[in-house]
Amino acid sequence: GEDVEQSLFLSVREGDSSVINCTYTDSSSTYLYWYKQEPGAGLQLLTYIFSNMDMKQDQRLTVLLNKKDKHLSLRIADTQTGDSAIYFCAETSPRGGGYQKVTFGTGTKLQVIP
Amino acid sequence: DAGVIQSPRHEVTEMGQEVTLRCKPISGHNSLFWYRQTMMRGLELLIYFNNNVPIDDSGMPEDRFSAKMPNASFSTLKIQPSEPRDSAVYFCASSSPRGDTQYFGPGTRLTVL
Repeated sequence: GEDVEQSLFLSVREGDSSVINCTYTDSSSTYLYWYKQEPGAGLQLLTYIFSNMDMKQDQRLTVLLNKKDKHLSLRIADTQTGDSAIYFCAETSPRGGGYQKVTFGTGTKLQVIP
Repeated sequence: DAGVIQSPRHEVTEMGQEVTLRCKPISGHNSLFWYRQTMMRGLELLIYFNNNVPIDDSGMPEDRFSAKMPNASFSTLKIQPSEPRDSAVYFCASSSPRGDTQYFGPGTRLTVL
């Protein structure tokens, strides 16, 4: 079945870049996502990339996709204390009838040290 | 748009009681998802509705859990009877017919004593 793996924890200093990594197993993935969850809140979509793209940049966020290795990364430039949160990687894959099943990773807790 | 609305935000109940969680998806969205989040198991998909019809309920833990979507703007997740191991944060999410992005509600934190 589908599996999405992430490291559990990352600690960086304020102003440095953060890189959060994710690997997945489903070769039929169509979209890959990064969500952010702050304490006590729901998941907030940060960005997503279509599976035929290699890179997507959105302000401080850069998403890199290596489809051959099934590896996705999220780079946050100039990390701020407000970026401290749990980051979830997710992928969707078609299941027929227009249904896209979403599989989430375990989440990576990013701690930004002032 | 108000986003996905869930109620209540917090629920504390005793073992054996019935619990009903509610969700109002974003207007115009035709897909609705119920998730459960715990420290041990992470984020799990419980059930997925498309056009008010349950499509995938393979994640529903057992018969104590049931979900309904009587119309396009409302869904419920019911647990009867509740058990302490049901304690978790339950999220509702919805997506548009394009189906490429899910938008999450703020969640309901359920504590079963």
